Amino acid sequence: GIQVEQSPPDLILQEGANSTLRCNFSDSVNNLQWFHQNPWGQLINLFYIPSGTKQNGRLSATTVATERYSLLYISSSQTTDSGVYFCAVDKKGNYQLIWGAGTKLIIKP
Amino acid sequence: NAGVTQTPKFQVLKTGQSMTLQCAQDMNHNSMYWYRQDPGMGLRLIYYSASEGTTDKGEVPNGYNVSRLNKREFSLRLESAAPSQTSVYFCASSERGETSSYNSPLHFGNGTRLTVT
Repeated sequence: GIQVEQSPPDLILQEGANSTLRCNFSDSVNNLQWFHQNPWGQLINLFYIPSGTKQNGRLSATTVATERYSLLYISSSQTTDSGVYFCAVDKKGNYQLIWGAGTKLIIKP
Repeated sequence: NAGVTQTPKFQVLKTGQSMTLQCAQDMNHNSMYWYRQDPGMGLRLIYYSASEGTTDKGEVPNGYNVSRLNKREFSLRLESAAPSQTSVYFCASSERGETSSYNSPLHFGNGTRLTVT
């Protein structure tokens, strides 16, 4: 089956710093989604991005499907960006997403 | 819009007790899902429902039953709780229709923290 690897596993930054989180996948996929799980456990869908680049405020994501990776950029980090960031992929027709292990991000004030 | 609403938020059960976790969405989504999240194990799919009246097993269905009561509601039942079912349970929904080959963005509820002693 498809393997999804996220890096780095942990990241500690000062408020205001920029960061790049990576998601590699081992086979072609139909789609890729990025999620943020905040310290209270809520899971928020950030991006639905099978290919190309999308931006939402200080966050942007790029998926290069042909090279089997996706990047999540966070600019001017805020303490509210802390939490775990997951990427999840799916093969065409499969309801079951395949999840990465996540990147735990801590933003220090 | 409330999005995806789960009840209860917290629950403690004794081994062998039963309970039902409730989930409702107000986004007119077709598909609904139940996941569990355990430390170090990530999110694992228990059951999903591609449309009203249909349900299918996910990765870890043993010990659970589900009911898609109508388009809005999807419940998860533990008939005889076991300590191994201690976890955080998330309900999710997406627009994806039964005839579609493509997933849609997944939207999660706030979770139910279940402890079985």
